[in-house]
Amino acid sequence: QSALTQPPSASGSPGQSVTISCAGTSSDIGAYNYVSWFQQHPGKAPKLMIYEVNKRPSGVPDRFSGSKSGDTASLTVSGLQAEDEADYYCNSYAGGTNLVFGAGTKLTVL
Amino acid sequence: EVQLVESGGGLAQPGGSLRLSCAASGFTFSDYWMSWVRQAPGKGLERVASIKEDGSEKYYVDSVKGRFTISRDNAKNSLYLQMNSLRAEDTALYYCARNRVSLAYWGQGTLVTVSS
Repeated sequence: QSALTQPPSASGSPGQSVTISCAGTSSDIGAYNYVSWFQQHPGKAPKLMIYEVNKRPSGVPDRFSGSKSGDTASLTVSGLQAEDEADYYCNSYAGGTNLVFGAGTKLTVL
Repeated sequence: EVQLVESGGGLAQPGGSLRLSCAASGFTFSDYWMSWVRQAPGKGLERVASIKEDGSEKYYVDSVKGRFTISRDNAKNSLYLQMNSLRAEDTALYYCARNRVSLAYWGQGTLVTVSS
């Protein structure tokens, strides 16, 4: 299965909102509500930020939100803070035993 | 507090073997699918293998099928990855993660380098 498509980079100023897209197909994002988003700071392990498209694990600020339209999922970070600067990865269940990831988006807080 | 601690990484020659371990604590290990996810240097994430709560189902990414074996010992709250016939392209940081899709918790990873 093909990887999901994310923009390599995104940026925003403190306090602004930024949206990162994750494009898939009708076989993965379009077919299932099992999209997750992970945040990874340099040298650190990934951290789950959003699961099942729009659910936040306990402890994740409500500045992070997820959505899906058709074959594309999105992560929105509102009220950008310096500590939000990190790499963000999406993944999606793709049926059977398949799980696909995006290549990641580097978010820069200007 | 959920904790996942990987060990067993290191340098291996092409064609060699390594066995990774993951010690879990802070949750009922036997209630969850577990996965190994790897990240090659400077690259993205790839789920390598997953195993069902009781070990009765196992999934592998195509590139490791027949070479890697995932297993678990629920009595020891431990997850394992036996890696045989290692290739240069297996070089990566290997993470242990809870669940098979949402990957809710991750360890800090253990580095596997395959080189002659």
